[in-house]
Amino acid sequence: KAGVTQTPRYLIKTRGQQVTLSCSPISGHRSVSWYQQTPGQGLQFLFEYFSETQRNKGNFPGRFSGRQFSNSRSEMNVSTLELGDSALYLCASSWSSGSPSYNEQFFGPGTRLTVL
Amino acid sequence: DQQVKQNSPSLSVQEGRISILNCDYTNSMFDYFLWYKKYPAEGPTFLISISSIKDKNEDGRFTVFLNKSAKHLSLHIVPSQPGDSAVYFCAASARIGLRGSQGNLIFGKGTKLSVKP
Repeated sequence: KAGVTQTPRYLIKTRGQQVTLSCSPISGHRSVSWYQQTPGQGLQFLFEYFSETQRNKGNFPGRFSGRQFSNSRSEMNVSTLELGDSALYLCASSWSSGSPSYNEQFFGPGTRLTVL
Repeated sequence: DQQVKQNSPSLSVQEGRISILNCDYTNSMFDYFLWYKKYPAEGPTFLISISSIKDKNEDGRFTVFLNKSAKHLSLHIVPSQPGDSAVYFCAASARIGLRGSQGNLIFGKGTKLSVKP
């Protein structure tokens, strides 16, 4: 069974640009969550999508957005990039977020974004 | 305001000895806790979890202890092996509403474990 895949793995952008990251969940998983990992803040929750609907959202500015397609694949978009957006962006999938056992999310390898 | 705290950024232990990683939380609504392990250039992988109705959960060399009154949990690895060297994240979630779904995970900043041969 294939794991969670994220593309691209590495990305370099300049300030002011926008970027789109992609995540393909494990087959059958309907929930996709996105996290930002930085050395200073650790892992921070961005948002969660379930059945094409954003179900939960963390405390990030509106420049961070996402969507989920009917096949559960998800994209995350960051507009007007800032230097502080440099981070590892992780995607995680699970069956659903409706039961404690299903909170055992499976993570992808992440996309390393560098903003110059 | 950090709801999940891992106060030790790093820990070094000798192979064969016990590794104890600690985690404190502030939100009394958290009712489900997990530990993840992360190697460089890889995403975190689920290690072990515990529900708030329990105070201990064991899986092979890994045991998680939960002390609800102290809002503290710990991960014990016995015996520690060099392959256990990684960053360990503690995470917690709370149920949304009386019969609501489990909320999303709040992570600590991680503890880097080094197991020396």
